[in-house]
Amino acid sequence: DQQVKQNSPSLSVQEGRISILNCDYTNSMFDYFLWYKKYPAEGPTFLISISSIKDKNEDGRFTVFLNKSAKHLSLHIVPSQPGDSAVYFCAAVYSGGGADGLTFGKGTHLIIQP
Amino acid sequence: DTGVSQNPRHKITKRGQNVTFRCDPISEHNRLYWYRQTLGQGPEFLTYFQNEAQLEKSRLLSDRFSAERPKGSFSTLEIQRTEQGDSAMYLCASSNTGIPGEKLFFGSGTQLSVL
Repeated sequence: DQQVKQNSPSLSVQEGRISILNCDYTNSMFDYFLWYKKYPAEGPTFLISISSIKDKNEDGRFTVFLNKSAKHLSLHIVPSQPGDSAVYFCAAVYSGGGADGLTFGKGTHLIIQP
Repeated sequence: DTGVSQNPRHKITKRGQNVTFRCDPISEHNRLYWYRQTLGQGPEFLTYFQNEAQLEKSRLLSDRFSAERPKGSFSTLEIQRTEQGDSAMYLCASSNTGIPGEKLFFGSGTQLSVL
């Protein structure tokens, strides 16, 4: 049973436009959410995170929105750049759980077109 | 280079053989994690250490898998009697304080292919 779901395997966006990546979760105990970016042959790199007590966190071109009632979060990238082409993973963690390893979604492959 | 280092980058082995991977975390990080990623999936948590203590193991970690971090620095992950289903990317990550939601720093992984 997937607790973190990214239902779009891929997304194509024109350079300069907004990219919106979506993530849904089922475990209401999750209290921290993180986005990672992964290039081929490299490990994931951290992008941005949000605590469940907030509904928005912004860092430069990246903004994460959290809707707790819908158990949904999204990552907005504005403006999209060619270097943003990568696989983006949504991840969640319950800080009070025994294992504080992250639970990842399957990822969304973002393709920025010139 | 002060990032997380993993060796080897690639490993090809025959079914039934044993393999061992190494991870060198960022030097001041006391938490070390192992994840496994298969094609089309996100990374799956396997186990983690705080210093030399292995504090949690996922049910994904069968008896054929063993991880160690003897001096609280580098870690090894051994798979005995490998099976084709073990083929995956094995990722190591480290973190500093263990504060909830703290970001993990990942290595580039070891790609295992079991023939």
